[in-house]
Amino acid sequence: QVQLVQSGAEVKKPGSSVKVSCKASGGTFSSYTISWVRQAPGQGLEWMGRIIPILGIANYAQKFQGRVTITADKSTSTAYMELSSLRSEDTAVYYCARGGSSWYDFDYWGQGTLVTVSS
Amino acid sequence: QSALTQPASVSGSPGQSITISCTGTSSDVGSYNLVSWYQQHPGKAPKLMIYEGSKRPSGVSNRFSGSKSGNTASLTISGLQAEDEADYYCCSYAGSSTYVVFGGGTKLTVL
Repeated sequence: QVQLVQSGAEVKKPGSSVKVSCKASGGTFSSYTISWVRQAPGQGLEWMGRIIPILGIANYAQKFQGRVTITADKSTSTAYMELSSLRSEDTAVYYCARGGSSWYDFDYWGQGTLVTVSS
Repeated sequence: QSALTQPASVSGSPGQSITISCTGTSSDVGSYNLVSWYQQHPGKAPKLMIYEGSKRPSGVSNRFSGSKSGNTASLTISGLQAEDEADYYCCSYAGSSTYVVFGGGTKLTVL
């Protein structure tokens, strides 16, 4: 049974950075992609980027280019998403999600990590 | 503003069928058979319901079906049940520059 378990909630100051982890179990980590999707309070889903662990290649949504870094540690089957220069609009639940058969659908999701940006 | 356009809300009575539309462009929905649909209950993570336009993952009820015509994809739920009440999001591959776009979501109310 595939599981993605994310790190706990964070409270950050504007201008700081946050790093969220996503540990996978029950599958072959390197064979899939891991995407990060965020959801602001009361809003819809927004794709931020993804990593292909077997290649070590990350792709990012244009909106987050330069501010987000997605990495993966194959030895621990863990993906990370770091977002810098935080502002209040970054307050959201951040999900990691495994790419499915096409890599562009998401068949397993983490439980979500609430990141609150507040002074 | 989301890249894909969905109605904000739809409703139906138990046993009825409803369809949620997802309108994109020739750069995303219209060009690829890579539309997926997600169900999200309040406070929960999204759940994959349809992938590659019309395929159902194992364990998803056959009351859920997906289709596409031109730049518009659709999710149909037949035999509505109370537990279908949730938010539904469409998603599409959008090429090797944009990658993935989501719709704004549709709130389904079962009357």
